[in-house]
Amino acid sequence: GAGVSQSPRYKVAKRGQDVALRCDPISGHVSLFWYQQALGQGPEFLTYFQNEAQLDKSGLPSDRFFAERPEGSVSTLKIQRTQQEDSAVYLCASTTREGLGNTDTQYFGPGTRLTVL
Amino acid sequence: DQQVKQNSPSLSVQEGRISILNCDYTNSMFDYFLWYKKYPAEGPTFLISISSIKDKNEDGRFTVFLNKSAKHLSLHIVPSQPGDSAVYFCAARKRGSGANSKLTFGKGITLSVRP
Repeated sequence: GAGVSQSPRYKVAKRGQDVALRCDPISGHVSLFWYQQALGQGPEFLTYFQNEAQLDKSGLPSDRFFAERPEGSVSTLKIQRTQQEDSAVYLCASTTREGLGNTDTQYFGPGTRLTVL
Repeated sequence: DQQVKQNSPSLSVQEGRISILNCDYTNSMFDYFLWYKKYPAEGPTFLISISSIKDKNEDGRFTVFLNKSAKHLSLHIVPSQPGDSAVYFCAARKRGSGANSKLTFGKGITLSVRP
């Protein structure tokens, strides 16, 4: 497909369970972002990759959150020992270049809705 | 601490009339602003943007105005159409290297356009 894809679209986890969320960016896109969107809020930045390098992980809320992009394309966001407050939509976005240009636009995937019971 | 604020959670307008969506920001390091539109169960879709060196950018029915001294921007949709009904997010970005390209979003405004 031409857009950013994410899987699964919906995930229900029991508290304490580990989950893995996948993002397939647009082919050739260098930069990849993860955002968390809680109910009634706007997306909040989690982490950023340029190719396989994780250049910014300042938004990750705790050390239970881990993201990787080992080959510079597909990325996985892993949440260990999920808690109820982790319930949110997790959005992935990619952009063409390294983000140096002001006109770079982030293209978002449909998100994964995580519900922790 | 909300650095991008969309203080009105919802807006309802009649089809054919103008929709004005407002956004305020507090961080003077922001120099590029974007509007995203979001339908239910879909990701945000880029709509229009403006650089801080400009005060207006227009694209078809959509115009964004920036008042840098007031740290305020607005999105105008003229004429409004029922298909414009969605959640609109205002976002801002600091100028810098790739790592600084993360977006800071407001909470969003739900626009309803009545036929």
